[in-house]
Amino acid sequence: EDQVTQSPEALRLQEGESSSLNCSYTVSGLRGLFWYRQDPGKGPEFLFTLYSAGEEKEKERLKATLTKKESFLHITAPKPEDSATYLCAVSFYGQNFVFGPGTRLSVLP
Amino acid sequence: ETGVTQSPTHLIKTRGQQVTLRCSSQSGHNTVSWYQQALGQGPQFIFQYYREEENGRGNFPPRFSGLQFPNYSSELNVNALELDDSALYLCASRVKEEETQYFGPGTRLLVL
Repeated sequence: EDQVTQSPEALRLQEGESSSLNCSYTVSGLRGLFWYRQDPGKGPEFLFTLYSAGEEKEKERLKATLTKKESFLHITAPKPEDSATYLCAVSFYGQNFVFGPGTRLSVLP
Repeated sequence: ETGVTQSPTHLIKTRGQQVTLRCSSQSGHNTVSWYQQALGQGPQFIFQYYREEENGRGNFPPRFSGLQFPNYSSELNVNALELDDSALYLCASRVKEEETQYFGPGTRLLVL
């Protein structure tokens, strides 16, 4: 069964149009939830780690939040250089990283 | 501080051959993990090494094997290559006591 899902699969935004990406997980015993950005053909670039429900982290135009079963990556006033695939991963007790399939974000000028 | 590096960047092999991919951990990191990422999908966990021993394995057959060296660098070996092994192979390192992993740029493997 899918342990980590992400939605939407793809998202097209106009420059300046804020939106949110979702990451949901189904297994209990969360040790950490991680957001990465990945450009085509390159390795994932670390963005945030969240450990407990209610936690929030911010970096430039990105803000990550965590609830009991999902996380949101909010993108405020995005720019074309924010275009990338955004990956969510979770680590559970007794397991290593499990990645979601990613959300492909395109920001049009 | 040097990040995670991987070599080679690209590789082309034929079915049935063997391949070795290499990874140098970020300075100060003692745990290395390897991932396989098929086109359009999220990375899939292959295995993790800590103190030169395999310390966790995903759903990959034994023809995927690895090594970690005393300087925390690592190798991924794949025997009897199959067409479906074509993917981006990612190495990630971290400090054992922390959860956050940092990834290298990857090695693109094409099996013909």
